[in-house]
Amino acid sequence: QKEVEQDPGPLSVPEGAIVSLNCTYSNSAFQYFMWYRQYSRKGPELLMYTYSSGNKEDGRFTAQVDKSSKYISLFIRDSQPSDSATYLCAMSADEVGYALNFGKGTSLLVTP
Amino acid sequence: GAVVSQHPSWVICKSGTSVKIECRSLDFQATTMFWYRQFPKQSLMLMATSNEGSKATYEQGVEKDKFLINHASLTLSTLTVTSAHPEDSSFYICSARPGLASSYEQYFGPGTRLTVT
Repeated sequence: QKEVEQDPGPLSVPEGAIVSLNCTYSNSAFQYFMWYRQYSRKGPELLMYTYSSGNKEDGRFTAQVDKSSKYISLFIRDSQPSDSATYLCAMSADEVGYALNFGKGTSLLVTP
Repeated sequence: GAVVSQHPSWVICKSGTSVKIECRSLDFQATTMFWYRQFPKQSLMLMATSNEGSKATYEQGVEKDKFLINHASLTLSTLTVTSAHPEDSSFYICSARPGLASSYEQYFGPGTRLTVT
């Protein structure tokens, strides 16, 4: 079993829809949870960072972490065509010094 | 700020030749740099972690004699794919982390697409 599981999609939604992206994980030591956005043939860029369980909101983006279920989510409100990209979840067991464990990424297409 | 560049962005080479990819942090000093490989529709797979001035730490299954990593300065790391084969064709991405920064503070380069013919 891979440490981080993420449905690769593709996920297609109409503009303005609420998008829900999810990852599950198996390593209970993970405490730091990140979401990255990656456009085609580009490097990932950090969208959201969350420590331990809870919610974090930044504009149209909300990240949720449920450590008891080993489940994290990213919600995108009022989705835009410019949100079309691959979204990768990533996790780490420690704040400093540890490499990130990435999910496969979910390909999102927002249609006008 | 926090810009990481990679060069070249795309390279085609013949089987058996070697290719060097550069990763530079342009506006910060990167104590640690990471090299990832990404196949189409797959996740980023960590290949190795390098700290300035010391030998790189390779992930299990990554041949250190094939993928040579040099982190000679706080702003430059290089990955050399030696004796490249078609199965080495992939998207190689580096990331750089400022000294003692949190794990999420990794700044990714734009990637290098390697095609081995």
